[in-house]
Amino acid sequence: DTEVTQTPKHLVMGMTNKKSLKCEQHMGHRAMYWYKQKAKKPPELMFVYSYEKLSINESVPSRFSPECPNSSLLNLHLHALQPEDSALYLCASSQEGTSSTDTQYFGPGTRLTVL
Amino acid sequence: EDQVTQSPEALRLQEGESSSLNCSYTVSGLRGLFWYRQDPGKGPEFLFTLYSAGEEKEKERLKATLTKKESFLHITAPKPEDSATYLCAVQTPNDYKLSFGAGTTVTVRA
Repeated sequence: DTEVTQTPKHLVMGMTNKKSLKCEQHMGHRAMYWYKQKAKKPPELMFVYSYEKLSINESVPSRFSPECPNSSLLNLHLHALQPEDSALYLCASSQEGTSSTDTQYFGPGTRLTVL
Repeated sequence: EDQVTQSPEALRLQEGESSSLNCSYTVSGLRGLFWYRQDPGKGPEFLFTLYSAGEEKEKERLKATLTKKESFLHITAPKPEDSATYLCAVQTPNDYKLSFGAGTTVTVRA
């Protein structure tokens, strides 16, 4: 089973709202990722967690705050977003993380619209 | 700087008309090359990982090959359900990231 699940599927929020995206995997993977994908563009890496610790932050604005409560769960907390943050947010996981070549498996994504 | 270029940008095929997609890369060293399929509004679906020149992998109507400078994804006798965007990504020894190409959007008409 190579399933990564994400909730919600769709989210509409105002610029003053606070919301969270959730991601879960039960493959025993120790690395989890957040990506942002705009229409007709490839995914862009935002954050990497390796063994539940934040190992990579790709200079993402502080209005995006990741959290890894345990090895199976990954959250992305959103606050004071801008309309240009509207995108498909993808979660991925892989077996070990940043130091090896291992395949990243993606979730279905959350379509975020910021009004 | 590492670069990944996919061609063509779009490909329209008749059902049963075989074709190939190209992914060329300029990197300081290759740790792995990945192919994904992505349907509109959904997450990328993993297809293949290739590690060294000469390697080939197959899955149903898809076959991926790798040389020192490029990878090809061959689609044999495609069906309408093969319509999707196909993404190529590379990982280098000194970097944790996947560097994605812009993708090739394949449309197969019945």
